[in-house]
Amino acid sequence: DTEVTQTPKHLVMGMTNKKSLKCEQHMGHRAMYWYKQKAKKPPELMFVYSYEKLSINESVPSRFSPECPNSSLLNLHLHALQPEDSALYLCASSHASGRGAGETEAFFGQGTRLTVV
Amino acid sequence: EDQVTQSPEALRLQEGESSSLNCSYTVSGLRGLFWYRQDPGKGPEFLFTLYSAGEEKEKERLKATLTKKESFLHITAPKPEDSATYLCAVRENTGNQFYFGTGTSLTVIP
Repeated sequence: DTEVTQTPKHLVMGMTNKKSLKCEQHMGHRAMYWYKQKAKKPPELMFVYSYEKLSINESVPSRFSPECPNSSLLNLHLHALQPEDSALYLCASSHASGRGAGETEAFFGQGTRLTVV
Repeated sequence: EDQVTQSPEALRLQEGESSSLNCSYTVSGLRGLFWYRQDPGKGPEFLFTLYSAGEEKEKERLKATLTKKESFLHITAPKPEDSATYLCAVRENTGNQFYFGTGTSLTVIP
């Protein structure tokens, strides 16, 4: 099973709302990622968690707050977003660095299409 | 800094017309090079991992190859359902970061 499950699939929120995106995987991966993708652009890295600890934050505004409650779950909490934050938000997972050779690829969820109004 | 460059940016093929997509990369130590397929509004779908120069992987009409500086995704006799954006990414020997190219948008015309 190489499935990464993201919920919700679609989300419309106002600029004063608070919402959360959720991601789950059961592949035993200890690295989990959030990406933001705009139309016709490649995925843009936001955050990386390694062994449930935040290891990379690509200078993302504080209105995006990640959380990794356990090795299978990843959340992205959203607050006071702007219309320009509307995008496809992708979660991915992979085996963490140091695991050894083989199986280095990342698997992606189907994404959450976020619209900020 | 690691870089991944894909070409062409867009490619239109007639059904059955074979072609290749290119991914050039610079990385200090390659842990893996990856090809993904992405349909509009969906997450990237994993296709192949290549680890070392000379390696080849095949899946249906797709074949991926790797040299020390670039990878090719060969598409043989494509069908309209092969239309998608194809993304290339690399991962270094250390760390958990994946570096993506900007993708090639493939359209196969019946």
